[in-house]
Amino acid sequence: SQQGEEDPQALSIQEGENATMNCSYKTSINNLQWYRQNSGRGLVHLILIRSNEREKHSGRLRVTLDTSKKSSSLLITASRAADTASYFCAPLYDKVIFGPGTSLSVIP
Amino acid sequence: SAVISQKPSRDICQRGTSLTIQCQVDSQVTMMFWYRQQPGQSLTLIATANQGSEATYESGFVIDKFPISRPNLTFSTLTVSNMSPEDSSIYLCSVRLVGNEQFFGPGTRLTVL
Repeated sequence: SQQGEEDPQALSIQEGENATMNCSYKTSINNLQWYRQNSGRGLVHLILIRSNEREKHSGRLRVTLDTSKKSSSLLITASRAADTASYFCAPLYDKVIFGPGTSLSVIP
Repeated sequence: SAVISQKPSRDICQRGTSLTIQCQVDSQVTMMFWYRQQPGQSLTLIATANQGSEATYESGFVIDKFPISRPNLTFSTLTVSNMSPEDSSIYLCSVRLVGNEQFFGPGTRLTVL
């Protein structure tokens, strides 16, 4: 299978807390991307991390990649109500296949 | 990044009719894709739109139902043919840039009555 599998499938936290989502995949990749989708809206590209990178930051986002474990994580620090969305990881093969995603609810 | 536009943004169609969705990118891209997102579901890849040749369809999708054109490196169309209520979905165009970042258009929300 070429899709990433996100875990947990649903996550509910209080505003200000950190949110961590994990992604596992089956075969070796060159890079992996994370996306956010607010309800009923398009997909927003958050970050791309390459296989030779272990960690990458963008604002309140921190992404890690462990190629030996075939896993990635997305950490959102100091969460806000506006972070409420579905988050998807997308390991890159010849095509991007999406898993079920993690539905994050940030409670004000 | 890439700026991707889709037309129409939404439509309500009658059963048995067809709708063509347009995707325009602000720069030349090698790879373009079409996805579908049914209500409450994740995204499903329909096909890879190949410039100058027939699209490559994923399992469960056929050309007769979802014909795709890609006349150049900045434009593609997806037609949803002989629609039924089960085709009610958001259809998204996607492009992959040279650095392998893949971006998505805003989507076309289709309702079939």
